[in-house]
Formats: sequence, C-alpha cells, structure tokens
Amino acid sequence: QQQVKQSPQSLIVQKGGIPIINCAYENTAFDYFPWYQQFPGKGPALLIAIRPDVSEKKEGRFTISFNKSAKQFSLHIMDSQPGDSATYFCAASKGKEYGNKLVFGAGTILRVKS
Amino acid sequence: DTAVSQTPKYLVTQMGNDKSIKCEQNLGHDTMYWYKQDSKKFLKIMFSYNNKELIINETVPNRFSPKSPDKAHLNLHINSLELGDSAVYFCASSPDRGGSGVAKNIQYFGAGTRLSVL
Repeated sequence: QQQVKQSPQSLIVQKGGIPIINCAYENTAFDYFPWYQQFPGKGPALLIAIRPDVSEKKEGRFTISFNKSAKQFSLHIMDSQPGDSATYFCAASKGKEYGNKLVFGAGTILRVKS
Repeated sequence: DTAVSQTPKYLVTQMGNDKSIKCEQNLGHDTMYWYKQDSKKFLKIMFSYNNKELIINETVPNRFSPKSPDKAHLNLHINSLELGDSAVYFCASSPDRGGSGVAKNIQYFGAGTRLSVL
C-alpha cells in the first residue's frame, strides 16, 4: 500500500502563480519529511525538508506547511518560474533505527507556463 | 567532480542476461542506497548499505545482489534479467545512517542508469 499519498498527479500554472502540492501519510513514526525536485534525465535533488515539531519552513520561494494532527504536509512555490518545471516528490522517513529509509509519494509533474 | 556517479548511463540488454551497474560517491558518506524508478516515475528503495553493511533489503527478487567493496562504492548486479526489470536505477548516498540534525538525512542521488530489457 502507498504509505505517502501525493496529489495532484500533474499541475500547470502560469508564471508567477503559486502551485501547491499536497501529501498525506498514515504512519505517525515518520519524523522527517523532505521534498525532492527531479528534472528530466537527472536524479532527484533535495529541495527543502521539515521535521514534525514545526508547522512551516521557508527556503527562498519554497515553503513547506506541516499539519501534524491531520498528518498532511504541502509544498508551496511562490512566484513560480518556467525553470521550476520539474517533477516534485514528497517523502517521509522514520529515521536512524530504520536506516533513514525514504518512502516517496508518487510525484507531481509541474509545468510553469511563461 | 560528480558527487555520486553511476555507470553506465544507459544499458540495453536481452532477457536472461546478467548485468552490473556501478556507483561511486566522493562525498565521504557512510550510507549508500539503490532505488528503482518505474515508468510511472514511482521511486522505491531497494537496498541500503552503511559502511559496507547491509541495512535495508526491501522485497527485491534475489536476482538482484548489491555489493559494497568499500563505503565509497555500491554496485548492483542483476542476474537473469526480465522485461519487468526495465526502469531507471538510482544510486544515492547520505552522510550518516541517522542523527538528530535534518542535514544528516539528506540523500544525494546520482543521475541514474536507464536499463532497457528487450
């Protein structure tokens, strides 16, 4: 079964728009929630990450919102640019005793139109 | 210099063959991983090694055998290739198996090896 559910599957926004990608998880043992960005022909690269003891984290134009009680987290991209067009993956990890295994969502293909 | 490098980038082979994919990281990390990304882009972990010791072994057919000669290398050998093995395989590494800091969980991925089994 899918432990991390991600939506939408694809998203098209205009330049300057704010795409929002949502993820939900079931296992409360997860304690680390990263977002990865993948361009065609490349490997995923860490974009931003959060731990469940904070509700929001910002890095540049990227913001994670985290709702521990709802077991949901989301990625917001402010002032989106065509160069942000990529596939975005949310993930969750249970940490050290589980070998830092990352469980990925199914991915969201984002296209930012200029 | 590439931090996590995989070879080859592309691999086309016939069903039933045996093939290997090599991975090297020059980041000084202790932990390395193999992931499989299928045609729908779904990423799933296969194996994880920490200092040459197997840590994670998902339910992967035993035709897949990882080998870690040292902590900078994690190779993947696949026996008796099947059509369903066609995918992109990613190697990754991270600084530590765990820790309190977020930074220690960061996994750095290679560019991937696209395997096509005909």
